[in-house]
Amino acid sequence: KQEVTQIPAALSVPEGENLVLNCSFTDSAIYNLQWFRQDPGKGLTSLLLIQSSQREQTSGRLNASLDKSSGRSTLYIAASQPGDSATYLCAVKTGANNLFFGTGTRLTVIP
Amino acid sequence: DAGITQSPRYKITETGRQVTLMCHQTWSHSYMFWYRQDLGHGLRLIYYSAAADITDKGEVPDGYVVSRSKTENFPLTLESATRSQTSVYFCASSESAGGGGYTFGSGTRLTVV
Repeated sequence: KQEVTQIPAALSVPEGENLVLNCSFTDSAIYNLQWFRQDPGKGLTSLLLIQSSQREQTSGRLNASLDKSSGRSTLYIAASQPGDSATYLCAVKTGANNLFFGTGTRLTVIP
Repeated sequence: DAGITQSPRYKITETGRQVTLMCHQTWSHSYMFWYRQDLGHGLRLIYYSAAADITDKGEVPDGYVVSRSKTENFPLTLESATRSQTSVYFCASSESAGGGGYTFGSGTRLTVV
């Protein structure tokens, strides 16, 4: 069974710092990897979707990379802001109904 | 509005009662899913549907029933609610079996007393 791990579990940084969140998965046979953001008491907002054939995707200050062979993805957030504070989840899709979520990284950006 | 909407946003019900959570999507995505999110367990798949009238069990289906008579609707019914079903429930949809990403609704927070 696919296992998805995110490191660190929690991260606190001062505003303006660049930061990297890590996601690793055990089975490289994936269709895609998706990064989500979840604010407390809210739903999941999709940030970036990387297909298995792609190496990276960018959206604004966010950049996600994918190294399928090593089972790793990183989410890079540039010039962090207090509004970036949330829990970030990565998820890998291995089939039509198989979406495996990571354990999440809770990010706090201190003003 | 376009998107995926869930209702109600919050629900309190008593043990033993039947309750239905609604999910509606406007994209005509083939695939729809129901997840529950609990502390310590993350997100777990309850049921999914590949198309109208096609549904199948996920990881934690016991105590739940789904139907999908129309592509855009995927209601989740708790036949006889139990306290262990207190959770946050998320509906999601996906365009395809392969490369399509998932889009999630805002969730329903259900409390069973």
